Amino acid sequence: NAGVTQTPKFQVLKTGQSMTLQCAQDMNHEYMSWYRQDPGMGLRLIHYSVGAGITDQGEVPNGYNVSRSTTEDFPLRLLSAAPSQTSVYFCASSYSAGAKNSPLHFGNGTRLTVT
Amino acid sequence: KQEVTQIPAALSVPEGENLVLNCSFTDSAIYNLQWFRQDPGKGLTSLLLIQSSQREQTSGRLNASLDKSSGRSTLYIAASQPGDSATYLCAISGGGADGLTFGKGTHLIIQP
Repeated sequence: NAGVTQTPKFQVLKTGQSMTLQCAQDMNHEYMSWYRQDPGMGLRLIHYSVGAGITDQGEVPNGYNVSRSTTEDFPLRLLSAAPSQTSVYFCASSYSAGAKNSPLHFGNGTRLTVT
Repeated sequence: KQEVTQIPAALSVPEGENLVLNCSFTDSAIYNLQWFRQDPGKGLTSLLLIQSSQREQTSGRLNASLDKSSGRSTLYIAASQPGDSATYLCAISGGGADGLTFGKGTHLIIQP
């Protein structure tokens, strides 16, 4: 099983450029989410989705857009990259956000540098 | 707002020792608690999930406990091995879809 697949693994952008981080899962999970991980800050939630066609904002949504047209895919779009968005981005999914015994599965991350 | 603290931030022990990693949280109204492992340059791997009604979970050499009343969880690693070297993170679910609250992790090194 592939699990949660993120592409690309590394990306360098210039300030003002836009790009899309891809995330796909093959576990038929309803719930998908995006986190960023920064030194000293831990993991923070950017956006999440409880099913196809439904998205919502997390703790740090500014500068990012998401969509969920299929159960499998949950891309994260950076509209106009800023140096403050330099981070490691993780996509994660679970069977259900509301199930008590539903562990979160993570992808291997995308390391983004904005110059 | 839930806050999760992990102590110590870093730990180095000789191979073969039994060890305990600590996680404390401020709001006892939790849905579940998960322990994750993160290797350098990799994503997080879920090790154990304890539901709010449970006291502990075990998987191989790992045992996680939960005491909601005191706001504490521990991860016990028996007979540590160099392959256990990684960062271990604790995360709390409040039951909503708005994600987990993570601690900042304990960086563990097992010396051969």
